[in-house]
Amino acid sequence: QSALTQPASVSGSPGQSITISCTGTGSDVGGYNYVSWYQQHPGKAPKLIIYDVNSRPSGVSSRFSGSRSGNTASLTISGLQAEDEADYYCSSYTSSSTGVFGGGTKLTVL
Amino acid sequence: EVQLVQSGSEVIQPGESLKISCKGSGYNFTNYWIGWVRQMPGKGLEWMGIIYPDDSDTRYSPSFQGQVTISADKSINTAFLQWSSLKASDTAMYYCARTDFSSSGDYWGQGTLVTVSS
Repeated sequence: QSALTQPASVSGSPGQSITISCTGTGSDVGGYNYVSWYQQHPGKAPKLIIYDVNSRPSGVSSRFSGSRSGNTASLTISGLQAEDEADYYCSSYTSSSTGVFGGGTKLTVL
Repeated sequence: EVQLVQSGSEVIQPGESLKISCKGSGYNFTNYWIGWVRQMPGKGLEWMGIIYPDDSDTRYSPSFQGQVTISADKSINTAFLQWSSLKASDTAMYYCARTDFSSSGDYWGQGTLVTVSS
């Protein structure tokens, strides 16, 4: 199974909204309602921010939202804040009964 | 409070074996899967596999099948990741995560840094 495809980097100014895409196939992103998104700050463990395509864990800001169209999932962060600067990874369940991550996207808050 | 506490950093010579651990607390350890994730220096995350501690049902990602062994001992609420013969390319941070069968990790360990060097 190949890694899901994410843009290497995105950027935005405080207060703006950004969207990170995650493209897979019908055997992963498009085939199951099991897409997750993680935020990772340097030197820290990943943090789950979206699961099951568009659900937020308790305590995660409503500024984070997820969606999917066909084989592409998306993470949108609205009202960008300096603390949102981090690496973001998507993950999907696959037909191999395992998970696969995207390559990661570095978000820079200008 | 849910916690996953991993064993400490390791510096290992090529060809040696190693077993690292991940101890869960604050929840029913046998009701959730535990996943292992590799992060090589400066690189992204990779799912290695998951295990269900109650019956040791284990699923490996294709890239890691045959390269590592994932196990668990539910009597001590601990999952393990082991290698029989490490290579320099195994140098990485390894994380464990509480997950469901779909590999959605809601709680993560602090990571174990494994350095393979002569």
